Amino acid sequence: KAGVTQTPRYLIKTRGQQVTLSCSPISGHRSVSWYQQTPGQGLQFLFEYFSETQRNKGNFPGRFSGRQFSNSRSEMNVSTLELGDSALYLCASKGIGTHHTEAFFGQGTRLTVV
Amino acid sequence: QQQVKQSPQSLIVQKGGISIINCAYENTAFDYFPWYQQFPGKGPALLIAIRPDVSEKKEGRFTISFNKSAKQFSLHIMDSQPGDSATYFCAASNTNAGKSTFGDGTTLTVKP
Repeated sequence: KAGVTQTPRYLIKTRGQQVTLSCSPISGHRSVSWYQQTPGQGLQFLFEYFSETQRNKGNFPGRFSGRQFSNSRSEMNVSTLELGDSALYLCASKGIGTHHTEAFFGQGTRLTVV
Repeated sequence: QQQVKQSPQSLIVQKGGISIINCAYENTAFDYFPWYQQFPGKGPALLIAIRPDVSEKKEGRFTISFNKSAKQFSLHIMDSQPGDSATYFCAASNTNAGKSTFGDGTTLTVKP
């Protein structure tokens, strides 16, 4: 069973640009969550998508948005990039049901804003 | 408002020693408490998890102790090995809402 795949692995963007990150969950998983990881802030929850609908949202500005497609693949978009957006962006997928509690993480996309 | 507080931020332990990482939570709606291990360049991976109806869970050298009344839980790594050197995150989840909150992480270094 293939794991969670995130693309690209590394990205360098200029301040003011926008960026789109992609996440392919484990086959059969319908929940995809996105996290921002920075050295001083740990793992910060961005949002969760389930069956193409945003189910939960963290405390990030509207520049951060996402979507999920019918095949459960998810994209995250950040517009008007700021230097502080430099971070490792992780996505995690989960199965449905109360027994499916484990979140499986991808390796992340390392975004550097210059 | 940080819902899960993790300490210490960093920990150095000698090989063979016991590593202890603590977490405290606030929201009583949390019903699942996992610990994740993350190596450099990798995403976090589930290490061990516990539900609040159990006070302790052990898997090999890793043990979670859970105190529901104090709203605290901890990870104990017995006989710590250099290969255990990683960042450890505790988390608290509300499985009905599908949301997890993570601690800030603890960087563990096990010296040979």
